Amino acid sequence: GAVVSQHPSRVICKSGTSVKIECRSLDFQATTMFWYRQFPKQSLMLMATSNEGSKATYEQGVEKDKFLINHASLTLSTLTVTSAHPEDSSFYICSAASTGGRETQYFGPGTRLLVL
Amino acid sequence: GQNIDQPTEMTATEGAIVQINCTYQTSGFNGLFWYQQHAGEAPTFLSYNVLDGLEEKGRFSSFLSRSKGYSYLLLKELQMKDSASYLCAVRDQDRDDKIIFGKGTRLHILP
Repeated sequence: GAVVSQHPSRVICKSGTSVKIECRSLDFQATTMFWYRQFPKQSLMLMATSNEGSKATYEQGVEKDKFLINHASLTLSTLTVTSAHPEDSSFYICSAASTGGRETQYFGPGTRLLVL
Repeated sequence: GQNIDQPTEMTATEGAIVQINCTYQTSGFNGLFWYQQHAGEAPTFLSYNVLDGLEEKGRFSSFLSRSKGYSYLLLKELQMKDSASYLCAVRDQDRDDKIIFGKGTRLHILP
């Protein structure tokens, strides 16, 4: 399967700071990338869909001004958690699809965020 | 709307067979996925069904009945490493083909 990387794998930050998470498709061009959040023992919750060169589409209840998504190229999408709070502590996972999401998605290894 | 149901937890014995069921309700069904997720890791793809019937891949098989809104994942010759969560996910063409996940089934394998 295709390879998707995420960086960093783990981050600890102070409340009020911003954190940027990168998602890269290493061996294919991802026209669409998805960002998920997963709390302990819960399922993956889709936060937003990002398409290369256009604005991200956010799911209901997800604050677009708090979770900034940039899909600047066909291999890179970034999620910035702005003014992080302890309740933002979670496991953030990106996935990438090659043709508008019509094929299966390939997941990155995830980023564990802890906000103190 | 969309609703995906699967059991929260299951327990099985090493070497045995286990079937994990998933029922779904969606307005624009366009495929069903099964993923495996070990604790603290991202999901890995197991199977994809879009037509009725059984798809077999080694020790894992997945079945789909679109008319019943039902799927199952069958794991044979269970190994300890199969202890994980198994996520049923449905792609919805009425939601731009996004893949929406169920809450997952935590499978415990006993020696």
